[in-house]
Amino acid sequence: QSVLTQPPSASGTPGQRVTISCSGSNSNIGSNTVNWYQQLPGTAPKLLIYTNNQRPSGVPDRFSGSKSGTSASLAISGLQSEDEADYFCATWVDSLNYVVFGGGTKLTVL
Amino acid sequence: QVQLQESGPGLVWPSETLSLICSVSGDSISSYYWSWIRQPAGKGLEWIGRVYTTGRTNYNPSLKSRVSMSVDTSKSHFSLKLKSVTAADTAVYYCARDRRDGYNVYSDYWGQGTLVTVSS
Repeated sequence: QSVLTQPPSASGTPGQRVTISCSGSNSNIGSNTVNWYQQLPGTAPKLLIYTNNQRPSGVPDRFSGSKSGTSASLAISGLQSEDEADYFCATWVDSLNYVVFGGGTKLTVL
Repeated sequence: QVQLQESGPGLVWPSETLSLICSVSGDSISSYYWSWIRQPAGKGLEWIGRVYTTGRTNYNPSLKSRVSMSVDTSKSHFSLKLKSVTAADTAVYYCARDRRDGYNVYSDYWGQGTLVTVSS
């Protein structure tokens, strides 16, 4: 049971917009930035969003991130079949000084 | 192009020490931080810890008593040791490069991962 709560699953049809939430607390998301990782089946995780809403070079602008208070969200617009993957949020935990990941959300493109 | 490659035994006996090395190529190991993350089959990601090139470390509190990490800049690699392993430590272990953006640190490059099984 992670300290960051994500829905275990999400789904959408091609072209739709889907959002994945990540809920934490004042000691983690509330006082730190959030990063998102995408893990395609059978591969290593890949950085998708950093510092709440920044996209690394090469990540399509269909992917966007936001943070408000103790929660963060990942939005994917114009959903494509290749977006089917697991998505993880991550942030720093104050006082204990470590990184925590959300439990992950499995995105299915119907 | 930055590349990270994990190496080490794929099978470790219970109660023994798991030892892995992550070899870094394509960039200077001295310019970044370095992390280990693991993933049991079918489960989520668990951050193990981070080592800075100064030798300073941060560890997951749940593993802190059993973990040690170090970096060898001369060999361009960093290492993980996890002692007193049990079957619960069976997982794919990833190494990653961490970089700073203001107060935020994120993992921008990952190794392909290596499966470590704890079993007799």
